[in-house]
Amino acid sequence: DVKVTQSSRYLVKRTGEKVFLECVQDMDHENMFWYRQDPGLGLRLIYFSYDVKMKEKGDIPEGYSVSREKKERFSLILESASTNQTSMYLCASSLAGGFYEQYFGPGTRLTVT
Amino acid sequence: AQSVAQPEDQVNVAEGNPLTVKCTYSVSGNPYLFWYVQYPNRGLQFLLKYITGDNLVKGSYGFEAEFNKSQTSFHLKKPSALVSDSALYFCAVKGYSSASKIIFGSGTRLSIRP
Repeated sequence: DVKVTQSSRYLVKRTGEKVFLECVQDMDHENMFWYRQDPGLGLRLIYFSYDVKMKEKGDIPEGYSVSREKKERFSLILESASTNQTSMYLCASSLAGGFYEQYFGPGTRLTVT
Repeated sequence: AQSVAQPEDQVNVAEGNPLTVKCTYSVSGNPYLFWYVQYPNRGLQFLLKYITGDNLVKGSYGFEAEFNKSQTSFHLKKPSALVSDSALYFCAVKGYSSASKIIFGSGTRLSIRP
């Protein structure tokens, strides 16, 4: 079974803090993704990566950055957390090619106070 | 621009009855279409996908979906609902182009009453 793990299930941070969300997959997938999930808005793509050290902006990249130094690990960074970044963050991975399904981690519920 | 719509926030069905969760899309060219399910306090799980070929796609847990190109729809169906099908369902679309990004719908909450 593909396993995608995220470093925390729940996280509480203060406004202005730098926040790191880590994601690791164990299936040698080329593609990795970060989404945020908000009620009524579905999943919105923040960033994705199709190779080590490669990254592409998604639909809502503002206020976020990413890092992919190793194939299995994809990190999401909130440089200066704000209350409007309170959300559920989902990481996913897939094989290369747009027709492959994504495998999701359990999510990190981030609260910024 | 690409888009995907799930017109119903919630669908309520009695156990044993057939269910349909609707999805329509807009994309340039041919689409890849996906359905995912999210059970409470869990991540999303893949259910099924349409790439090409037969318009009727069968997936996990007895679900199926029909690709209708003329109506740009990809509705999720199951002949006989189970209480355990109660969950949040997401439709997603991606164009064939490598520049196309995947887009998810807003989700439909399916509630199956005993």
